[in-house]
Amino acid sequence: GQSLEQPSEVTAVEGAIVQINCTYQTSGFYGLSWYQQHDGGAPTFLSYNALDGLEETGRFSSFLSRSDSYGYLLLQELQMKDSASYFCVRSGSARQLTFGSGTQLTVLP
Amino acid sequence: DVKVTQSSRYLVKRTGEKVFLECVQDMDHENMFWYRQDPGLGLRLIYFSYDVKMKEKGDIPEGYSVSREKKERFSLILESASTNQTSMYLCASSDLAGEDEQYFGPGTRLTVT
Repeated sequence: GQSLEQPSEVTAVEGAIVQINCTYQTSGFYGLSWYQQHDGGAPTFLSYNALDGLEETGRFSSFLSRSDSYGYLLLQELQMKDSASYFCVRSGSARQLTFGSGTQLTVLP
Repeated sequence: DVKVTQSSRYLVKRTGEKVFLECVQDMDHENMFWYRQDPGLGLRLIYFSYDVKMKEKGDIPEGYSVSREKKERFSLILESASTNQTSMYLCASSDLAGEDEQYFGPGTRLTVT
């Protein structure tokens, strides 16, 4: 199958660090992406990992371990505007993307 | 800036009607996609296209068809709308190469009554 597992909700306070985990099915796996979606908005791309390791983009980092079929998104120095849904997304054959069901992040003051 | 536009933000149709959802991108992208988004289910791929006049079924194609007559335009068609097709519909496009970044339109919230 191509399912992904990620927590449905995470809550953290401003300034904190939060990690959103994602596990995926390995069949035909190419890479793992992360998208952010604010309420009422369109998903926007955050990061992509095709190889094992950490990719850093400002306050956000994404990690992939192909041997563990596992990845995570790390958000540092949380801000109120980071409150949103975060989707881990699996790239498979023929460049199809399979979205997880999303993690609703709430950042508290 | 990459821009993906969809013909309507909100649409209300009756059961049995034929519904057209239009999507246009201005980045000369090869790939275009249609998703629907429902609470708790994330985004599910309906159809996608890698080239003009080409289409591939996604995970939930039943009840839908698509048309790509021009590179910049990808249309989703509900042949006979049903209430279970009430949803948010999102169109996206991406380059042939790259890191799989897809650019999304603002979405069309379709209600079928």
